[in-house]
Amino acid sequence: GQQVMQIPQYQHVQEGEDFTTYCNSSTTLSNIQWYKQRPGGHPVFLIQLVKSGEVKKQKRLTFQFGEAKKNSSLHITATQTTDVGTYFCAVRNTGGFKTIFGAGTRLFVKA
Amino acid sequence: GAGVSQSPSNKVTEKGKDVELRCDPISGHTALYWYRQSLGQGLEFLIYFQGNSAPDKSGLPSDRFSAERTGGSVSTLTIQRTQQEDSAVYLCASSLLGGVGEPQHFGDGTRLSIL
Repeated sequence: GQQVMQIPQYQHVQEGEDFTTYCNSSTTLSNIQWYKQRPGGHPVFLIQLVKSGEVKKQKRLTFQFGEAKKNSSLHITATQTTDVGTYFCAVRNTGGFKTIFGAGTRLFVKA
Repeated sequence: GAGVSQSPSNKVTEKGKDVELRCDPISGHTALYWYRQSLGQGLEFLIYFQGNSAPDKSGLPSDRFSAERTGGSVSTLTIQRTQQEDSAVYLCASSLLGGVGEPQHFGDGTRLSIL
């Protein structure tokens, strides 16, 4: 079935450093979504990418969808303590309704 | 409130007991999802409801798990004869139509602990 690999599993950064998480699929994706889950909270939708090579920005967050639509990345510039949490990518199972979430990347930011 | 509501927020029960978890989606949302999240892990899809269509049950881990959605709104997830490995946070999400690109709105989850 559909699988999506997300790396790294976790990352510790000093406040002000950059952070990137990656999602990779063995199959071509129709789209990909990104969610953020704060510690003790629930996942919150951040963005969806649909087009090959698409790049979207939300303030310090930059989201990219690969040209082949098999990978995606989320980059945070100059991290802040408010960025702490787990970032998940999510894809829809081919031809179905099942949503597959990546394992998540947990971000720790040291002030 | 206007968000997805789940109850109870916490549930502690003994192994072998049955439990019922409730989800009240955002008003007007026709699609509803259940997920399971073990400590420090990702989200495991369990089941999907959309309108009056047959649900996608492909993620239910065993026949001890079942879910209903009555009247196209509230949903209950039932776990029979609970086992310790069922301990997890059970998250419910809803979306407007269940389309591929729609954002899912999550509730705060039910933290289930099996003793």
